[in-house]
Amino acid sequence: DAGVTQSPTHLIKTRGQQVTLRCSPKSGHDTVSWYQQALGQGPQFIFQYYEEEERQRGNFPDRFSGHQFPNYSSELNVNALLLGDSALYLCASSLQGVGETQYFGPGTRLLVL
Amino acid sequence: GDSVTQMEGPVTLSEEAFLTINCTYTATGYPSLFWYVQYPGEGLQLLLKATKADDKGSNKGFEATYRKETTSFHLEKGSVQVSDSAVYFCALRETSGSRLTFGEGTQLTVNP
Repeated sequence: DAGVTQSPTHLIKTRGQQVTLRCSPKSGHDTVSWYQQALGQGPQFIFQYYEEEERQRGNFPDRFSGHQFPNYSSELNVNALLLGDSALYLCASSLQGVGETQYFGPGTRLLVL
Repeated sequence: GDSVTQMEGPVTLSEEAFLTINCTYTATGYPSLFWYVQYPGEGLQLLLKATKADDKGSNKGFEATYRKETTSFHLEKGSVQVSDSAVYFCALRETSGSRLTFGEGTQLTVNP
């Protein structure tokens, strides 16, 4: 049973560029959440997708956007990259519903120069 | 808003020592509580969880009890191993939604 997978594993961009990160959920899961983890800190919730719609959003600017596809996979897009966007981006999948546990992927490490 | 506070780290122990990592939370309603572990260069792995007051979560020798009266969910292990060296995150899931709120993490190093 494949777990949550993310691509790419590492990425280097320059300020002002745009980036797209990808996530495939664990088999049987229909909900994808994205988190940003800055170095030495706990993950911060960006947003969650279910049924191809953004259902919840954390305190992140509109430069951060996402998409969910009919096969439940998801993309995170970040426009106009800032140095402060350098972080580990984690995707978590779960089944929609109260009480469902989120399972995390290995993350994509983004460095903005 | 919801928040999670973990004991300041890092924590360094000798093999077979007793481990406690403190975690307290602030939340409305009745959140679910989690401990996740992150090994170097990896994502988060669920260690254990508890969904209501007085529940005890346990896994791989680790345990934590959901204490509503003290709003705490302290992680304990009776005898740590070198392989337990990692960063441990306490987290809560809000009552009405599914977003996770994490603490800052506690780096644990276990020496042989």
